Amino acid sequence: NAGVTQTPKFQVLKTGQSMTLQCAQDMNHEYMSWYRQDPGMGLRLIHYSVGAGITDQGEVPNGYNVSRSTTEDFPLRLLSAAPSQTSVYFCASSYSKGGELFFGEGSRLTVL
Amino acid sequence: KQEVTQIPAALSVPEGENLVLNCSFTDSAIYNLQWFRQDPGKGLTSLLLIQSSQREQTSGRLNASLDKSSGRSTLYIAASQPGDSATYLCAAINDYKLSFGAGTTVTVRA
Repeated sequence: NAGVTQTPKFQVLKTGQSMTLQCAQDMNHEYMSWYRQDPGMGLRLIHYSVGAGITDQGEVPNGYNVSRSTTEDFPLRLLSAAPSQTSVYFCASSYSKGGELFFGEGSRLTVL
Repeated sequence: KQEVTQIPAALSVPEGENLVLNCSFTDSAIYNLQWFRQDPGKGLTSLLLIQSSQREQTSGRLNASLDKSSGRSTLYIAASQPGDSATYLCAAINDYKLSFGAGTTVTVRA
Protein backbone atom coordinates (compact mmCIF):
# COMPACT_ATOMS: atom_id res chain seq x y z
CA ASN A 1 0.00 0.00 0.00
CA ALA A 2 1.29 3.43 -0.93
CA GLY A 3 -0.84 5.12 1.74
CA VAL A 4 -0.62 8.93 1.59
CA THR A 5 1.75 10.27 -1.06
CA GLN A 6 2.94 13.88 -1.19
CA THR A 7 4.87 15.63 -3.94
CA PRO A 8 7.21 17.40 -4.16
CA LYS A 9 9.30 16.54 -1.10
CA PHE A 10 11.31 19.76 -1.35
CA GLN A 11 10.57 23.08 -3.08
CA VAL A 12 12.13 26.53 -3.11
CA LEU A 13 10.01 29.46 -4.27
CA LYS A 14 10.50 33.17 -4.64
CA THR A 15 8.08 35.58 -3.00
CA GLY A 16 4.99 36.01 -5.17
CA GLN A 17 5.30 32.73 -7.04
CA SER A 18 2.50 30.20 -7.01
CA MET A 19 2.64 26.45 -6.69
CA THR A 20 0.59 23.38 -5.84
CA LEU A 21 1.47 20.72 -3.32
CA GLN A 22 0.01 17.40 -4.36
CA CYS A 23 -1.52 14.82 -2.04
CA ALA A 24 -2.97 11.46 -3.02
CA GLN A 25 -4.22 8.53 -0.96
CA ASP A 26 -5.14 5.03 -2.10
CA MET A 27 -7.08 3.92 0.97
CA ASN A 28 -10.50 5.21 -0.12
CA HIS A 29 -10.53 7.63 2.81
CA GLU A 30 -13.27 10.25 2.85
CA TYR A 31 -11.47 12.68 5.15
CA MET A 32 -8.32 14.49 4.03
CA SER A 33 -6.49 17.42 5.54
CA TRP A 34 -3.43 19.65 5.29
CA TYR A 35 -1.24 20.70 8.21
CA ARG A 36 1.81 22.87 8.50
CA GLN A 37 4.51 22.22 11.07
CA ASP A 38 6.67 25.05 12.36
CA PRO A 39 9.25 25.04 15.18
CA GLY A 40 7.64 26.09 18.44
CA MET A 41 4.15 26.15 16.86
CA GLY A 42 3.46 22.46 16.46
CA LEU A 43 1.13 21.18 13.75
CA ARG A 44 -1.69 23.47 12.67
CA LEU A 45 -4.64 22.61 10.46
CA ILE A 46 -4.84 24.59 7.19
CA HIS A 47 -7.82 23.09 5.31
CA TYR A 48 -9.72 19.86 5.38
CA SER A 49 -12.23 17.92 3.29
CA VAL A 50 -14.87 15.43 4.37
CA GLY A 51 -15.49 14.13 0.86
CA ALA A 52 -15.28 14.95 -2.83
CA GLY A 53 -16.61 18.45 -3.46
CA ILE A 54 -16.59 19.44 0.23
CA THR A 55 -13.85 21.51 1.84
CA ASP A 56 -13.59 23.71 4.91
CA GLN A 57 -11.08 25.98 6.61
CA GLY A 58 -8.90 25.02 9.50
CA GLU A 59 -6.92 27.13 11.93
CA VAL A 60 -4.57 28.90 9.46
CA PRO A 61 -6.25 29.00 6.02
CA ASN A 62 -5.10 32.43 4.77
CA GLY A 63 -2.92 32.28 1.66
CA TYR A 64 -3.95 28.73 0.76
CA ASN A 65 -6.64 27.25 -1.49
CA VAL A 66 -7.86 23.69 -1.78
CA SER A 67 -10.29 21.70 -3.86
CA ARG A 68 -11.41 18.08 -3.79
CA SER A 69 -12.61 16.81 -7.16
CA THR A 70 -11.92 13.13 -6.45
CA THR A 71 -11.79 10.97 -3.32
CA GLU A 72 -8.08 10.25 -3.92
CA ASP A 73 -6.61 13.73 -4.42
CA PHE A 74 -6.48 16.85 -2.27
CA PRO A 75 -4.06 19.48 -3.66
CA LEU A 76 -2.99 22.55 -1.69
CA ARG A 77 -2.41 25.74 -3.70
CA LEU A 78 -0.30 28.70 -2.70
CA LEU A 79 -1.46 31.58 -4.89
CA SER A 80 1.25 34.13 -4.03
CA ALA A 81 3.94 32.67 -1.80
CA ALA A 82 5.24 34.66 1.16
CA PRO A 83 8.27 33.99 3.41
CA SER A 84 5.82 33.30 6.27
CA GLN A 85 4.72 30.21 4.35
CA THR A 86 8.14 28.61 4.73
CA SER A 87 7.27 25.42 6.56
CA VAL A 88 6.90 21.68 6.37
CA TYR A 89 3.50 20.68 5.02
CA PHE A 90 1.80 17.40 5.82
CA CYS A 91 -1.20 15.82 4.19
CA ALA A 92 -3.26 13.34 6.20
CA SER A 93 -6.30 11.16 5.68
CA SER A 94 -8.68 9.01 7.67
CA TYR A 95 -11.55 6.68 6.88
CA SER A 96 -14.12 8.51 8.98
CA LYS A 97 -14.77 11.34 11.39
CA GLY A 98 -12.58 10.81 14.42
CA GLY A 99 -10.84 7.88 12.81
CA GLU A 100 -7.15 7.00 12.83
CA LEU A 101 -5.21 9.59 10.87
CA PHE A 102 -2.48 8.58 8.42
CA PHE A 103 0.16 11.08 7.33
CA GLY A 104 2.30 11.57 4.27
CA GLU A 105 6.07 12.07 4.47
CA GLY A 106 5.81 15.84 4.19
CA SER A 107 6.77 18.58 1.74
CA ARG A 108 9.44 21.03 2.85
CA LEU A 109 8.80 24.47 1.34
CA THR A 110 11.16 27.44 1.47
CA VAL A 111 10.01 30.86 0.27
CA LEU A 112 12.79 33.37 -0.35
CA LYS B 1 -10.60 26.13 21.32
CA GLN B 2 -8.88 22.86 22.20
CA GLU B 3 -5.46 23.30 23.79
CA VAL B 4 -3.14 20.31 24.07
CA THR B 5 -0.07 20.29 26.30
CA GLN B 6 2.69 17.72 26.51
CA ILE B 7 5.03 17.53 29.45
CA PRO B 8 7.97 17.13 29.58
CA ALA B 9 9.23 18.71 26.37
CA ALA B 10 12.27 16.44 26.40
CA LEU B 11 13.28 13.27 28.18
CA SER B 12 16.54 11.29 28.32
CA VAL B 13 16.64 7.81 29.84
CA PRO B 14 19.00 4.84 29.88
CA GLU B 15 18.08 1.82 27.82
CA GLY B 16 15.68 -0.53 29.57
CA GLU B 17 13.90 2.13 31.61
CA ASN B 18 10.15 2.55 31.22
CA LEU B 19 8.96 5.78 29.59
CA VAL B 20 5.96 7.82 30.74
CA LEU B 21 4.77 10.58 28.43
CA ASN B 22 1.96 12.92 29.44
CA CYS B 23 -0.66 14.70 27.37
CA SER B 24 -3.38 17.03 28.67
CA PHE B 25 -6.26 18.67 26.81
CA THR B 26 -8.71 21.38 27.78
CA ASP B 27 -11.92 20.28 26.03
CA SER B 28 -13.07 16.88 27.28
CA ALA B 29 -15.67 16.54 24.49
CA ILE B 30 -13.23 14.71 22.23
CA TYR B 31 -14.04 11.99 19.71
CA ASN B 32 -10.76 10.18 20.12
CA LEU B 33 -7.11 10.73 21.04
CA GLN B 34 -4.21 9.58 18.91
CA TRP B 35 -0.52 9.15 19.68
CA PHE B 36 2.11 9.55 16.97
CA ARG B 37 5.82 9.11 16.61
CA GLN B 38 7.93 11.45 14.45
CA ASP B 39 11.54 10.80 13.50
CA PRO B 40 13.70 13.77 12.42
CA GLY B 41 12.81 14.96 8.92
CA LYS B 42 10.04 12.39 8.59
CA GLY B 43 6.28 12.26 8.70
CA LEU B 44 4.09 11.17 11.59
CA THR B 45 3.57 7.48 12.28
CA SER B 46 0.41 6.49 14.09
CA LEU B 47 1.08 4.52 17.28
CA LEU B 48 -2.26 4.19 19.02
CA LEU B 49 -5.79 5.52 18.64
CA ILE B 50 -7.89 5.58 21.82
CA GLN B 51 -11.59 5.97 21.22
CA SER B 52 -13.47 8.23 23.62
CA SER B 53 -15.34 5.23 25.05
CA GLN B 54 -12.10 3.41 25.87
CA ARG B 55 -9.85 3.93 28.87
CA GLU B 56 -6.75 2.38 27.36
CA GLN B 57 -5.23 0.82 24.28
CA THR B 58 -2.22 -1.47 23.98
CA SER B 59 0.14 -2.42 21.17
CA GLY B 60 3.24 -4.44 22.01
CA ARG B 61 5.38 -2.45 24.45
CA LEU B 62 3.10 0.57 24.14
CA ASN B 63 0.13 1.29 26.36
CA ALA B 64 -1.91 4.47 26.29
CA SER B 65 -4.54 5.49 28.81
CA LEU B 66 -7.28 8.07 28.49
CA ASP B 67 -9.15 9.93 31.23
CA LYS B 68 -11.59 12.27 29.52
CA SER B 69 -12.99 13.72 32.73
CA SER B 70 -9.59 14.99 33.81
CA GLY B 71 -8.43 15.79 30.27
CA ARG B 72 -5.39 13.55 30.36
CA SER B 73 -3.75 10.78 28.39
CA THR B 74 -0.54 8.94 29.20
CA LEU B 75 1.65 6.90 26.87
CA TYR B 76 3.75 4.20 28.52
CA ILE B 77 6.63 2.57 26.67
CA ALA B 78 8.01 -0.47 28.45
CA ALA B 79 11.68 -1.47 28.45
CA SER B 80 12.86 1.40 26.25
CA GLN B 81 15.37 0.81 23.44
CA PRO B 82 17.63 3.23 21.52
CA GLY B 83 15.29 2.78 18.54
CA ASP B 84 12.53 4.41 20.59
CA SER B 85 14.38 7.74 20.35
CA ALA B 86 12.00 10.12 18.54
CA THR B 87 9.47 12.86 19.17
CA TYR B 88 6.11 11.66 20.42
CA LEU B 89 3.01 13.73 19.69
CA CYS B 90 -0.52 13.41 20.99
CA ALA B 91 -3.54 14.79 19.18
CA ALA B 92 -7.05 15.36 20.51
CA ILE B 93 -9.71 14.74 17.87
CA ASN B 94 -12.78 16.98 18.01
CA ASP B 95 -15.18 16.42 15.11
CA TYR B 96 -12.95 16.59 12.02
CA LYS B 97 -10.18 18.60 13.59
CA LEU B 98 -7.07 17.45 15.36
CA SER B 99 -5.30 19.62 17.91
CA PHE B 100 -1.69 18.63 18.49
CA GLY B 101 0.59 19.02 21.43
CA ALA B 102 4.13 20.32 20.83
CA GLY B 103 5.55 16.85 21.49
CA THR B 104 7.99 15.16 23.84
CA THR B 105 11.43 14.44 22.41
CA VAL B 106 12.76 11.19 23.82
CA THR B 107 16.39 10.07 23.83
CA VAL B 108 17.17 6.53 24.95
CA ARG B 109 20.85 6.14 25.82
CA ALA B 110 22.52 2.80 25.06
